Amino acid sequence: QVQLQESGPGLVKPSQTLSLTCTVSGGSISSGDYYWSWIRQPPGKGLEWIGCISHTGNSYYNPSLKSRITISLDTSKNRISLKLTSVTAADTAVYYCAALDYGDFLFDYWGQGTLLTVSS
Amino acid sequence: SFELTQPLSVSVAPGQTARIPCGGDNIGTKIVHWCQQKPGQAPVVVIYRDSSRPSGIPERFSGSNSGNTATLTISRAQAGDEADYYCHVWVSNTVIFGGGTKLTVL
Repeated sequence: QVQLQESGPGLVKPSQTLSLTCTVSGGSISSGDYYWSWIRQPPGKGLEWIGCISHTGNSYYNPSLKSRITISLDTSKNRISLKLTSVTAADTAVYYCAALDYGDFLFDYWGQGTLLTVSS
Repeated sequence: SFELTQPLSVSVAPGQTARIPCGGDNIGTKIVHWCQQKPGQAPVVVIYRDSSRPSGIPERFSGSNSGNTATLTISRAQAGDEADYYCHVWVSNTVIFGGGTKLTVL
């Protein structure tokens, strides 16, 4: 059973770069079974897909966020990272990492989410 | 760009059938998944690949997909089914979510 755990600073100032980490247990991010994904949900709003990365490092991003996003793998620590530059209050959200199945593109596993607030 | 349209809310009386539509251009040619999200929790898959049900999800949950509309159907609705429901698809190397539908059982 794959488990995902997000971690991050909780609070970031406007214009700074957001960095979040998702640690995976119960499976290897190098296995090739999943695209490792980030999704976010602003307070009281719907889900927004941010992007994903394959075990080979191929990444796909939401076009609306593409210019500000980097998703990367750290296979030595079995974790995935998200960097989002030039944050504003609109980036305040719960950020989830999730395992997106390679074949059906179904989110098989989700982390519990971490709240990130952008405020000065 | 491809978009998925869901009603903001659907209401159903206990014991009745709720239907939550997910509209998109020729969505019937795509694979649709549905997840349920309760307050403060991460989403959970209730229907995958249009109409398949994961283990542990009651048979009351079913799905269909044809033409321009995919539909999540919840039969014999219960208070515990109150949640937000999202459809999503994979299109052009991106995940597209519907805006979500709040199901109220009253």
